[in-house]
Amino acid sequence: EVQLEESGGGLVKPGGSLRLSCAASGFTFSTHTMNWVRQAPGKGLEWVSAISSSGSYTYYADSMKGRFSISRDNTKNSLYLQMNSLRGEDTAVYYCAREGALVQDFDYWGQGTLVTVSS
Amino acid sequence: QSALTQPPSASGSPGQSVTISCTGTSSDVGGYKYVSWYQHHPGKAPKLLIYEVSKRPSGVPDRFSGSKSGNTASLAVSGLQAEDEADYYCSSYAGSNNYVVFGGGTKLTVL
Repeated sequence: EVQLEESGGGLVKPGGSLRLSCAASGFTFSTHTMNWVRQAPGKGLEWVSAISSSGSYTYYADSMKGRFSISRDNTKNSLYLQMNSLRGEDTAVYYCAREGALVQDFDYWGQGTLVTVSS
Repeated sequence: QSALTQPPSASGSPGQSVTISCTGTSSDVGGYKYVSWYQHHPGKAPKLLIYEVSKRPSGVPDRFSGSKSGNTASLAVSGLQAEDEADYYCSSYAGSNNYVVFGGGTKLTVL
């Protein structure tokens, strides 16, 4: 059974940093592109970042470029999101999502971890 | 990266059908076959309903169907059931620069 479990969320002050993790199990992690998607309170889903199966290619939404960094460790079946210079508008539930093999969709999602940016 | 346009709400009575639209541009919805739809019950993980415009993952009832015409994709839900009440999101691949864009979401109410 495919499982994705996020961790690392919490309360952080504006300008602060946080590192999210996503532990994957139940599939061959190293063969799938992985993503982070977020949902701010009362808002819709927003794609954040993606990383290719090998980690060679990374992609970011414009508002996250230069502040967020996605990475993965295929030996630990883990995905990460380093978030710096956090702003109030980054407050959201952050989901880890797996892309399907050979297609661009998000076929499995974690339950999410809440990040709150507030003084 | 502009969000795809979805109606904020839709509704129907049990047993009825409803269609949700998702409008983008030739740089996303109109330019690629990678349009997906997700069902999201608040507090739960989103669930993939439709991928590649019209394909259903195993386990998704055939009451859910997808289509696309030009820059607009659509999700049709037939035989509405109470458990279909949820938020629905479309997404599209948008090329290597913008990668993925989501719609703003549609809240489906089963009356």
